[in-house]
Amino acid sequence: TQLLEQSPQFLSIQEGENLTVYCNSSSVFSSLQWYRQEPGEGPVLLVTVVTGGEVKKLKRLTFQFGDARKDSSLHITAAQPGDTGLYLCAGARLGNEKLTFGTGTRLTIIP
Amino acid sequence: DVKVTQSSRYLVKRTGEKVFLECVQDMDHENMFWYRQDPGLGLRLIYFSYDVKMKEKGDIPEGYSVSREKKERFSLILESASTNQTSMYLCASSFPSTLAGVLIRTDTQYFGPGTRLTVL
Repeated sequence: TQLLEQSPQFLSIQEGENLTVYCNSSSVFSSLQWYRQEPGEGPVLLVTVVTGGEVKKLKRLTFQFGDARKDSSLHITAAQPGDTGLYLCAGARLGNEKLTFGTGTRLTIIP
Repeated sequence: DVKVTQSSRYLVKRTGEKVFLECVQDMDHENMFWYRQDPGLGLRLIYFSYDVKMKEKGDIPEGYSVSREKKERFSLILESASTNQTSMYLCASSFPSTLAGVLIRTDTQYFGPGTRLTVL
């Protein structure tokens, strides 16, 4: 059972445009992480959000954790070709060492 | 820097062969994980180990086994490879997030580069 659904699954946009990726669940998580995976590499952590409603910014990337801690979004402003990759959200539950990964969003930024 | 290495980047095996995938981490992490990654399905956990010789089944353990004889090394074994096990396999490691049941951190998982396994 896939507990974290990401949308869209694929996104291809022009350099300079803005975009939002969504990560949704019917379950509550104690924290939510976002990873980016580039071709030929493993996923690398971008950010962890732990409080409902929390917003974190990483340069042009803005991450938000839903108030009810069931969903999250990633917004990229003025996308660059270097943003190309597979974006994965992952939910953590208190007392559980395992993460539940989302279905992934493959982002392509066209120069 | 944390380093997680996997024994092969690409592997081609025949149906019925026994396959070993090795993973080594150099950060003294207690937790180690094996995932498989398939398009549209994200990462699915096969097995998890929280200490030497300790293991837990993940979401899709069927057809796989694991071995953790040393803290830094976690092996994934396909006893008899089948074509539906063709996939990207990712190993990860992390520190524990809890101590005596108390959350102490929300920890990062550090991933290896993956092994693309093809079973013919």
